[in-house]
Amino acid sequence: SAVISQKPSRDICQRGTSLTIQCQVDSQVTMMFWYRQQPGQSLTLIATANQGSEATYESGFVIDKFPISRPNLTFSTLTVSNMSPEDSSIYLCSVAPTGREEQYFGPGTRLTVT
Amino acid sequence: GENVEQHPSTLSVQEGDSAVIKCTYSDSASNYFPWYKQELGKRPQLIIDIRSNVGEKKDQRIAVTLNKTAKHFSLHITETQPEDSAVYFCAAPGAAGNKLTFGGGTRVLVKP
Repeated sequence: SAVISQKPSRDICQRGTSLTIQCQVDSQVTMMFWYRQQPGQSLTLIATANQGSEATYESGFVIDKFPISRPNLTFSTLTVSNMSPEDSSIYLCSVAPTGREEQYFGPGTRLTVT
Repeated sequence: GENVEQHPSTLSVQEGDSAVIKCTYSDSASNYFPWYKQELGKRPQLIIDIRSNVGEKKDQRIAVTLNKTAKHFSLHITETQPEDSAVYFCAAPGAAGNKLTFGGGTRVLVKP
């Protein structure tokens, strides 16, 4: 499976600020996704990061709040904008190797908003 | 979209006993069903998956069964060990293909 890294691994931010999370894969992948996992909860898909075009957002998530970039087939960023304490979560990227259905997760970014 | 329900939410078993976790899904177009294990503070790890063209798949002490007619699938862990203690998630993609909808998770505790 692909080696996936995320930066930062954790951060504590003040409300009203923004944080950009990076996801790097060691091989080219077609599909990259961003998930949110609130404390003690399941995983919720935020959006699919499309290379060369705008991300596809799931219901309840909007581009102004969670802008996503996907400049190439190995890298993506998720920005959490204008943060509030309710944004405190773990944010995970995942990838599906080209032509495969399996998804593999990055180590996650633990965000705390004060 | 897809809706996935998972039961039970918590499961406590004695070491050596079996554990079974069940999931139901709503979208009959779903054709791929992965299971993830998440240990405390770690990323979800894919442990087994099944595709709709088979009814059962085994990998050492874990197995997954699928009933497409009833739209449910289950994870079976035999001879449980303390290292099996974790949260387990099922998922299904619905008609969207790669976009996974996750169940609510099952916290499994294996008591020595």
